[in-house]
Amino acid sequence: QSVLTQPPSASGTPGQRVVISCSGSNSNIGSNFIFWYQQLPGAAPKPLIQMNNRRPSGVPDRFSASKSGTSTSLAIDGLRSEDEADYYCASWDDRVKGPVFGAGTKLTVL
Amino acid sequence: QWLLQESGPGLMKPSETLSLTCSVSGGSLRSDSYYWGWVRQPPGKSLEWIASITYSGTTFYNPSLRNRVTLSIETSRKQFSLRLGSVTAADTALYFCARYHVDFFFDYWGQGSLVTISS
Repeated sequence: QSVLTQPPSASGTPGQRVVISCSGSNSNIGSNFIFWYQQLPGAAPKPLIQMNNRRPSGVPDRFSASKSGTSTSLAIDGLRSEDEADYYCASWDDRVKGPVFGAGTKLTVL
Repeated sequence: QWLLQESGPGLMKPSETLSLTCSVSGGSLRSDSYYWGWVRQPPGKSLEWIASITYSGTTFYNPSLRNRVTLSIETSRKQFSLRLGSVTAADTALYFCARYHVDFFFDYWGQGSLVTISS
């Protein structure tokens, strides 16, 4: 059972805006940076958002994130077919003393 | 360009000890900006951090696995390794090695090594 809670699935049509939520607690999201990873089918995860809302080089600005209290959201604007993937939120957890991940949300582009 | 590559046994029996090695290319393991870690993903499930190690050998373990895990590092060979003892079917997973940036995220990942535990 994952420490951070995400909906198992999300979907949208090309061009739409999709938002994926993630909730945690004061020991992780509430007091630490949040990160988002994208895992394409058959591939390793890759960082999508770091330190709350910074995009690594090469990540399009269609991807953004926000944080409020013990929750975070990933927004994808102008949805594209190549965005179909699993998305994981992550944060440092003060009790685990290490990184923790969300359960993952499978995004389907209809 | 950093590249990480896991090597492991593939198939194991319950109660055995899993050994995985990660070979790194593209730079030195000796940096205060990175740790080196392991993350696993059971089939169809989420990601779980296992442990991390610094270039000087300081280790950090997930409390849920601490009593079964040992990490080691050989900077001269550009490798770091994971040992997981007393494996069961619940340890069946895709095991990733990854570089852990001190800003708290995994920035480079290996392709993963599938380890299946079955009698």
